[in-house]
Amino acid sequence: RKEVEQDPGPFNVPEGATVAFNCTYSNSASQSFFWYRQDCRKEPKLLMSVYSSGNEDGRFTAQLNRASQYISLLIRDSKLSDSATYLCVVIPYMDTGRRALTFGSGTRLQVQP
Amino acid sequence: GAGVSQSPSNKVTEKGKDVELRCDPISGHTALYWYRQRLGQGLEFLIYFQGNSAPDKSGLPSDRFSAERTGESVSTLTIQRTQQEDSAVYLCASSMTSGGPLFDTQYFGPGTRLTVL
Repeated sequence: RKEVEQDPGPFNVPEGATVAFNCTYSNSASQSFFWYRQDCRKEPKLLMSVYSSGNEDGRFTAQLNRASQYISLLIRDSKLSDSATYLCVVIPYMDTGRRALTFGSGTRLQVQP
Repeated sequence: GAGVSQSPSNKVTEKGKDVELRCDPISGHTALYWYRQRLGQGLEFLIYFQGNSAPDKSGLPSDRFSAERTGESVSTLTIQRTQQEDSAVYLCASSMTSGGPLFDTQYFGPGTRLTVL
């Protein structure tokens, strides 16, 4: 089983739709969680951190469910510019202090006019 | 301020040649990471530097890969005797520190696209 799993998609949604992605992780010691966005042939860019209490940034809502070991990303009122690959990042704390960053392979979103 | 920069942006080389990739992290960032991303794939961790500590090389795929970092500045990733399967985008990221969630945010450079013919 992969450490971080995401549905690769693509998710094809019309403009204005609400879409949600989940990401499951296998290491229960995972401490930090992020969503990154990666446009085609570009580097990943931080979209938002995911806090235990859940957090919202405009049209984007991130949630963490530690019991079930997954994080989610909800995008409301989708825009064409939201089309990208969304990468889930999970970071456990290791005794050595290193954060073993583990990226999911990404979920591709295509918003259509 | 300036972000993470990488050079070259593109590198085409012949199988068997050595290549050197460079990363300039954000000033003040003590942690630096190298990743590899093959076409259509997720990011694969290669190596991690934190301050003056010994680097974590656990992600390097073979002994043909090595990396160095001078203090808390520039890092170079060297691939010796390149193979076609080394073709990928090599991404560098830096973060302020590796302690506490607030400082884990990684900022990526634009990557070096390596093509091995």
